[in-house]
Amino acid sequence: SQQGEEDPQALSIQEGENATMNCSYKTSINNLQWYRQNSGRGLVHLILIRSNEREKHSGRLRVTLDTSKKSSSLLITASRAADTASYFCATVSTGANNLFFGTGTRLTVIP
Amino acid sequence: NAGVMQNPRHLVRRRGQEARLRCSPVKGHSHVYWYRQLPEEGLKFMVYLQKENIIDESGMPKERFSAEFPKEGPSILRIQQVVRGDSAAYFCASSQQASRGMSSPLHFGNGTRLTVT
Repeated sequence: SQQGEEDPQALSIQEGENATMNCSYKTSINNLQWYRQNSGRGLVHLILIRSNEREKHSGRLRVTLDTSKKSSSLLITASRAADTASYFCATVSTGANNLFFGTGTRLTVIP
Repeated sequence: NAGVMQNPRHLVRRRGQEARLRCSPVKGHSHVYWYRQLPEEGLKFMVYLQKENIIDESGMPKERFSAEFPKEGPSILRIQQVVRGDSAAYFCASSQQASRGMSSPLHFGNGTRLTVT
């Protein structure tokens, strides 16, 4: 399966703490994307990192990519209650024309 | 600017009936993707369409499922003779540019939740 795996499956932290989620995948990729999903809603794109990039920042988000280990991490700094959601990584395999999603990390930020 | 619009939001069908799920992509987007999500799981790719063409249907069951994206009108995902196992959330996403490399993010609708009784 090309599907990625997120770790941990669920994470609960206090507001203000940092949250780190990891994603592992199996094939060579063109890029890796992170999405967020609030309960009962569609996914919202957060950030895209290309295979030749190692780190990318967007506001309170920091994404790293290690293609040798086939893994990525998403760090959310200074978390807020509004960050409570499920977070998914998605990969675009080389030559593929669709996204394969991981199983997601459910983040709960306690006010 | 309207995002991806899916309707209905909720659909209840009895076993054996047909389900039709509609998706209007972001204006100007000509690439549509359908995904299925079971509770507490990630999204599973079903089909990728461009206007009037199916590009990749490798994730869609060969029987009972079909998809179209006509020149005019929304994309339709059709499930014939539904069974309980078809109960899931079905998400549509659209993108603007050609999919090779997929460096454009996908824009998702809020999904249609199908319940088969």
